[in-house]
Amino acid sequence: DGGITQSPKYLFRKEGQNVTLSCEQNLNHDAMYWYRQDPGQGLRLIYYSQIVNDFQKGDIAEGYSVSREKKESFPLTVTSAQKNPTAFYLCASSIGGLAAGYNEQFFGPGTRLTVL
Amino acid sequence: AQSVTQPDIHITVSEGASLELRCNYSYGATPYLFWYVQSPGQGLQLLLKYFSGDTLVQGIKGFEAEFKRSQSSFNLRKPSVHWSDAAEYFCAVASYNNNDMRFGAGTRLTVKP
Repeated sequence: DGGITQSPKYLFRKEGQNVTLSCEQNLNHDAMYWYRQDPGQGLRLIYYSQIVNDFQKGDIAEGYSVSREKKESFPLTVTSAQKNPTAFYLCASSIGGLAAGYNEQFFGPGTRLTVL
Repeated sequence: AQSVTQPDIHITVSEGASLELRCNYSYGATPYLFWYVQSPGQGLQLLLKYFSGDTLVQGIKGFEAEFKRSQSSFNLRKPSVHWSDAAEYFCAVASYNNNDMRFGAGTRLTVKP
């Protein structure tokens, strides 16, 4: 049963701590994405990766970091430099790839991060 | 860069009534357009997409959308709304060979019994 998993579903963090959100896909997709969702603002792109060992900043990358060491995994670290990290985080993937045309994105169930 | 506007933040319709959610996009070339639905606390599910061809596209759950290039619109419609359709709906636009997808701010749909 192919899909995207995100863990944990809920995450609490104290101010000043780094925290890592997990995203795994078994769809054999090349491209993966991280979005942040805040009420009334839709989805904003944090980082995306078109291929293993390569990733690009999105519109709101400051205070976040990512890695793409494996095709199926794209973890997001929310660092202490992110001033307002409380939000709903969504991971997505698409067939993508550097030479592909456009393909729709498939989304995971999300992680809600709350800073205490 | 492409952008999307969803003019209605919140819409309330009665169960069984028809529905139209508006979406306007800004993009210089041929857009790739999508509608996604999100239930509370969940991820997004693709309802339908438009890449080319027939401007009226059918999606899942009885939804359809019409691409109107002259109006830069891609409105979502459903003839008869069910209580289970209550959710948030997002319109999105992307470009060919570019993995950058832009989302609207969303329209929250409430269904009255």
